[in-house]
Amino acid sequence: DVKVTQSSRYLVKRTGEKVFLECVQDMDHENMFWYRQDPGLGLRLIYFSYDVKMKEKGDIPEGYSVSREKKERFSLILESASTNQTSMYLCATRNGGGGQPQHFGDGTRLSIL
Amino acid sequence: KNEVEQSPQNLTAQEGEFITINCSYSVGISALHWLQQHPGGGIVSLFMLSSGKKKHGRLIATINIQEKHSSLHITASHPRDSAVYICAVRPWGTRNAGNMLTFGGGTRLMVKP
Repeated sequence: DVKVTQSSRYLVKRTGEKVFLECVQDMDHENMFWYRQDPGLGLRLIYFSYDVKMKEKGDIPEGYSVSREKKERFSLILESASTNQTSMYLCATRNGGGGQPQHFGDGTRLSIL
Repeated sequence: KNEVEQSPQNLTAQEGEFITINCSYSVGISALHWLQQHPGGGIVSLFMLSSGKKKHGRLIATINIQEKHSSLHITASHPRDSAVYICAVRPWGTRNAGNMLTFGGGTRLMVKP
């Protein structure tokens, strides 16, 4: 069975902190995605990666960076957290091309105080 | 105007009722996804379709490509169907072999016993 694990379900950080959100998958999928989900706005793509050390910006990359040093792990980094980055963050993976479904983690609800 | 619009935004039904959730989109697409998000955050892929109709248990998804419209139906609804249902489309011409999805804002369904 497909398993996408996000390191924290809930996280509280302070403005200006560097924040790391981790996502680990056990399916050997090439593609990994980071989304944020906000009320009324739906899911929006922050970054995605289609291979180790490869990344592409999504719709809202400002204020974020990512790291994919190993195939199974995709990290989202908030370089200097701000209150407008308070949100639900969801990681997803996909095997192969766009004709396959995405598999989501349970999400991390991040609050920046 | 969002590229993917869902209606209704909120829906309350009595157990046993037939439920319809609608999704309209404004771009050419190669596939449409229906996703289910339970309280707590985890998202599950229900259907991926590019034409016609798919059925899985009490769930039925239909798509009309010419009208740019899809519906998700739930027959004999049950309180455990209470969740947010999300429509997402994969537009034509998407970079990197169709990685990108565009999401609707979701429909929050509550089924009362």
